[in-house]
Amino acid sequence: NAGVTQTPKFQVLKTGQSMTLQCAQDMNHEYMSWYRQDPGMGLRLIHYSVGAGITDQGEVPNGYNVSRSTTEDFPLRLLSAAPSQTSVYFCASSYRPSGTSVTGELFFGEGSRLTVL
Amino acid sequence: GIQVEQSPPDLILQEGANSTLRCNFSDSVNNLQWFHQNPWGQLINLFYIPSGTKQNGRLSATTVATERYSLLYISSSQTTDSGVYFCAVKTGSNTGKLIFGQGTTLQVKP
Repeated sequence: NAGVTQTPKFQVLKTGQSMTLQCAQDMNHEYMSWYRQDPGMGLRLIHYSVGAGITDQGEVPNGYNVSRSTTEDFPLRLLSAAPSQTSVYFCASSYRPSGTSVTGELFFGEGSRLTVL
Repeated sequence: GIQVEQSPPDLILQEGANSTLRCNFSDSVNNLQWFHQNPWGQLINLFYIPSGTKQNGRLSATTVATERYSLLYISSSQTTDSGVYFCAVKTGSNTGKLIFGQGTTLQVKP
């Protein structure tokens, strides 16, 4: 049971390049989300998904796209990277007890450190 | 949206000391978690505690949902407790939108 797996762990991009951060979970969790962490800013929610085919915006969605074609995968796409997107990115997932609006415990991947030059 | 405030922002302890970290939130929540981010950047789940009290070894947590706060207690602190402690909350509605506080940075000196 691998939990939440993020790839790559490190990436350097030039301004204007595109890339995709991959996230996969093997716990059959309905909820998945992406956060970014910047010094002094804590963790801020970028996008999240409550199930396959459903995504929504978080606090800082601009410049990022997501899709959720399967329960297991939730990739984060940067279409045209900017230096302001230099950050550490965390993917997370949690379960939702059937028939409730409560989410269970959130589990994080190990993070992806992105530098945009 | 909901506001999450953690205090103190920074804390320095001598090994063996006890401490209390606080998390205040501005709205009713149905999910509250405490995390520890170690010096290597990993986020480790400590407690899932939308209400009540839980204990795990030297750590315990209490959430008083009606008064909109949670406390994390660390007893007999060790140098390995150093890092950043985050509180995160979710309000009602059918989303996975967990919002984080700014964190408390703890340094435990030997």
